[in-house]
Amino acid sequence: IAGITQAPTSQILAAGRRMTLRCTQDMRHNAMYWYRQDLGLGLRLIHYSNTAGTTGKGEVPDGYSVSRANTDDFPLTLASAVPSQTSVYFCASSDSPAVSNGYTFGSGTRLTVV
Amino acid sequence: GESVGLHLPTLSVQEGDNSIINCAYSNSASDYFIWYKQESGKGPQFIIDIRSNMDKRQGQRVTVLLNKTVKHLSLQIAATQPGDSAVYFCAERAGANNLFFGTGTRLTVIP
Repeated sequence: IAGITQAPTSQILAAGRRMTLRCTQDMRHNAMYWYRQDLGLGLRLIHYSNTAGTTGKGEVPDGYSVSRANTDDFPLTLASAVPSQTSVYFCASSDSPAVSNGYTFGSGTRLTVV
Repeated sequence: GESVGLHLPTLSVQEGDNSIINCAYSNSASDYFIWYKQESGKGPQFIIDIRSNMDKRQGQRVTVLLNKTVKHLSLQIAATQPGDSAVYFCAERAGANNLFFGTGTRLTVIP
């Protein structure tokens, strides 16, 4: 089934540790995104990539980094996790940066930083 | 920044009734709007979209209405079913290459 795969589905992480959330899509979409979802705050954009080899900062990029070495993969790295990064993280993709047909979302990664 | 909000954070309806979920947006330059459904423990799922050159668009049991004059968007679900229970988000595109999301409305269908 075409779509987005995120891993892990959940993780408990000690503060100060490094963590990479994985995201892979098989739809050959050009644009990919990372959002965090927090109760009462909705979905907030962390980083995005309009095409392989390019990335950009979203609304809440601090403490996170991304890379886009190829079309399919868009990993999100927390260099040194802090409790405020406890959240549900969603990866999404769209066929073009213009978002002419909406996003396809993954199932999310629930991250708890303790 | 953008502001996409919802009039009601929760909505309860009887099974079989119609549901209306509302959304206000603040950027008059927004030209594309989407409704998403999110079930517990899952990612948001695309329901229906509408472009700013339209006032209404219909899908299967769902209709989206766009009122650009008052910057208001609504999602109507006909004959609401228990499987419709979820959080519903509206999202807008306003020139930037990404979407801005509202905080969501939780719809609960009472059997």
